[in-house]
Amino acid sequence: DAKTTQPPSMDCAEGRAANLPCNHSTISGNEYVYWYRQIHSQGPQYIIHGLKNNETNEMASLIITEDRKSSTLILPHATLRDTAVYYCIVSSQAGTYKYIFGTGTRLKVLA
Amino acid sequence: EAGVAQSPRYKIIEKRQSVAFWCNPISGHATLYWYQQILGQGPKLLIQFQNNGVVDDSQLPKDRFSAERLKGVDSTLKIQPAKLEDSAVYLCASSGGPSYNEQFFGPGTRLTVL
Repeated sequence: DAKTTQPPSMDCAEGRAANLPCNHSTISGNEYVYWYRQIHSQGPQYIIHGLKNNETNEMASLIITEDRKSSTLILPHATLRDTAVYYCIVSSQAGTYKYIFGTGTRLKVLA
Repeated sequence: EAGVAQSPRYKIIEKRQSVAFWCNPISGHATLYWYQQILGQGPKLLIQFQNNGVVDDSQLPKDRFSAERLKGVDSTLKIQPAKLEDSAVYLCASSGGPSYNEQFFGPGTRLTVL
């Protein structure tokens, strides 16, 4: 079973920030939080990952709570092309780097 | 750099027939993964290779599914015989090099079993 819980769907207005939450209350100390997204008919695409500090790259920001039991992916200025299913995954960087995907959050960006 | 290549992109077969999918990972990536994604669900890991050795195949239905990775590069996933419930998208991913903790996914093969 997936170790993460996400809302099944969210809407966001184009140009506004999209904040996608994820609960991972059983995360272990050596497990990272990864975010991927899957646009229709494509394979999942890496967005960002982090351990305990907040992270930012050209695509998004990742905010991880201090107790590491939840995180938020922020798309600062959502566009129609950000419409996709977003997956939050926790995975250890020791051993096999195995991913267990949940059902993700279907984000719809509205014009 | 070239991405993960998969073929065919689409396949329709009758139940009890056999089918094979091919994956060419990103050059230099030592780890290769096969996932099954049923409509409306997230991808499920079937098998993971490190070079040409199997690291994890705990979710692979071994009575009908088989996979190999010859010479630690290309990989083939086979289903024989196929069942209706095998209808899904089969995704191949690879990881390695400087971005060792990021998995790069191919476009997938959509299998329909009638």
